[in-house]
Amino acid sequence: AQSVTQLGSHVSVSEGALVLLRCNYSSSVPPYLFWYVQYPNQGLQLLLKYTTGATLVKGINGFEAEFKKSETSFHLTKPSAHMSDAAEYFCAVSDNTDKLIFGTGTRLQVFP
Amino acid sequence: DAGVTQSPTHLIKTRGQHVTLRCSPISGHKSVSWYQQVLGQGPQFIFQYYEKEERGRGNFPDRFSARQFPNYSSELNVNALLLGDSALYLCASSSAYNEQFFGPGTRLTVL
Repeated sequence: AQSVTQLGSHVSVSEGALVLLRCNYSSSVPPYLFWYVQYPNQGLQLLLKYTTGATLVKGINGFEAEFKKSETSFHLTKPSAHMSDAAEYFCAVSDNTDKLIFGTGTRLQVFP
Repeated sequence: DAGVTQSPTHLIKTRGQHVTLRCSPISGHKSVSWYQQVLGQGPQFIFQYYEKEERGRGNFPDRFSARQFPNYSSELNVNALLLGDSALYLCASSSAYNEQFFGPGTRLTVL
């Protein structure tokens, strides 16, 4: 069975500071990994995904994530936070089907 | 191009009632998936349909059912509503493998 653990339900950073959102996964098959963002009262928007190939994945809005098989991690980073980055972020794993298994989410707050 | 659309946006029902939620995928997408997102949690997979056939089912009771129509739109039905069914119901469509695009969701409140 697959699962995702997001460490830290809330993360607070100052505007301009590094953003680091942690995600660890469990999978018995090579995983597909995703990060989604959800703004209040909206659906989910795909930030980036890892399927195969390069382990450093660049996404939209300056975010990137690195797949580390040895650590079973897929942490999301952004060098400099903007106020507009405040949202809920979800890490998800899939086993080559369209069924996504999501983590419980991390709420990012950005202070001026 | 229009994204995934869902209707209604909000819905209030009472316990024991039945509800139907609707989803229209992005043009050209043949796969539709449904997720339930309870407040404060991540989305949970309910169903996936591809070319009108059920491709996957999550751990939900038989009160939950779905179908996909020839135009690839989909309905999610929930019978005998419980308070615990209150949630945001998300629909996602895809064409390429694992590239899912989500709609804005339907907020269901069960009183």
